[in-house]
Amino acid sequence: DAGVIQSPRHEVTEMGQEVTLRCKPISGHDYLFWYRQTMMRGLELLIYFNNNVPIDDSGMPEDRFSAKMPNASFSTLKIQPSEPRDSAVYFCASSPTLRDQPQHFGDGTRLSIL
Amino acid sequence: AQKVTQAQTEISVVEKEDVTLDCVYETRDTTYYLFWYKQPPSGELVFLIRRNSFDEQNEISGRYSWNFQKSTSSFNFTITASQVVDSAVYFCALRLYNQGGKLIFGQGTELSVKP
Repeated sequence: DAGVIQSPRHEVTEMGQEVTLRCKPISGHDYLFWYRQTMMRGLELLIYFNNNVPIDDSGMPEDRFSAKMPNASFSTLKIQPSEPRDSAVYFCASSPTLRDQPQHFGDGTRLSIL
Repeated sequence: AQKVTQAQTEISVVEKEDVTLDCVYETRDTTYYLFWYKQPPSGELVFLIRRNSFDEQNEISGRYSWNFQKSTSSFNFTITASQVVDSAVYFCALRLYNQGGKLIFGQGTELSVKP
């Protein structure tokens, strides 16, 4: 079975550029999550969707960050304009339901903003 | 406030030793879920186990075992006869029944198993 697929795996770009991270959840999973991992803050939830609808975006750091889920098999996380402090590993995860179901994570996108 | 504490930042053992990774959580909720994830050097996050707050049965899966004790708010993870391939960062996480999908992660324990 295909797991959560993220692209790109690595992204290096200059400050001020727009960055778009992509995620394909596991087929049949109704929930999609975006997390960010940094040394300082560890793993933190940015936003999650249920059936393509954003449910909780309280973790999105600021207006420069936006996320969309146009259909059940695709989501994007966009940063515009990017800043060096956005450098982190961004993970996408999906789960069939909430509660006791585990979230299955993609391999992550390692983002470096110069 | 909800919190997960993994007090051991780094652990180093020699192959075949047993090792226990500690996880202590804080919540006033009565219904919650606990998870362990493994992050190998390649960087992905791999789900290992899930426990519900109303199920205190310990679990064993091969060389892995988990001890859940509500009385001490702990969900410890033991690897028996460790192997080099067990080297990774291990995360304990908490999700509350009434807080939707948010996983609250501990800071992780980096396990190094030397040959």
